[in-house]
Amino acid sequence: SQQGEEDPQALSIQEGENATMNCSYKTSINNLQWYRQNSGRGLVHLILIRSNEREKHSGRLRVTLDTSKKSSSLLITASRAADTASYFCATDEGAQKLVFGQGTRLTINP
Amino acid sequence: NAGVMQNPRHLVRRRGQEARLRCSPMKGHSHVYWYRQLPEEGLKFMVYLQKENIIDESGMPKERFSAEFPKEGPSILRIQQVVRGDSAAYFCASSPGQGDVGEQFFGPGTRLTVL
Repeated sequence: SQQGEEDPQALSIQEGENATMNCSYKTSINNLQWYRQNSGRGLVHLILIRSNEREKHSGRLRVTLDTSKKSSSLLITASRAADTASYFCATDEGAQKLVFGQGTRLTINP
Repeated sequence: NAGVMQNPRHLVRRRGQEARLRCSPMKGHSHVYWYRQLPEEGLKFMVYLQKENIIDESGMPKERFSAEFPKEGPSILRIQQVVRGDSAAYFCASSPGQGDVGEQFFGPGTRLTVL
């Protein structure tokens, strides 16, 4: 079953602006992760947030997790052209595998 | 420390042929996962393996698909009698495999095209 669902499906902003992507999931989780995928490439791990954490930062990335709403958000501040990619949230299902959402395609316009 | 390696990067097969996709995990990683990605979609879990063991194959189609991770050598995802619907990008990931599901390290993928 597809657990994470990202919103919006596509996002286009100007360089320097902030980008916010959301993810919702259905079942209980141990952690939630965000990955980036550049066109035609593999996935790169961005950040992992555990179910007992509410917010986590890594450089220009900020991730929040609301387990009561079963949702997470990824904020990229001061966006750059190099941030253009697809972003996926992934959750575990109490098993040793990741369940990915459909992704948000982010385009940063110069 | 080399990352996850997959080969070939691109594979073209005609309907009915066999496709063999290889994955070498990161050094020190004993857990391998295979995912399939259709165009404009997220990755879908196929199978999780440890050395010489299939741990979870709940995402594998029941027919034509098989996977192995032998004691020596890479993990192999094998698709027999390929059909056009098998055209996709196949990604392998590896992890140390301790504790909860943590970060998985992904290879560059194999793009399979079935003519």
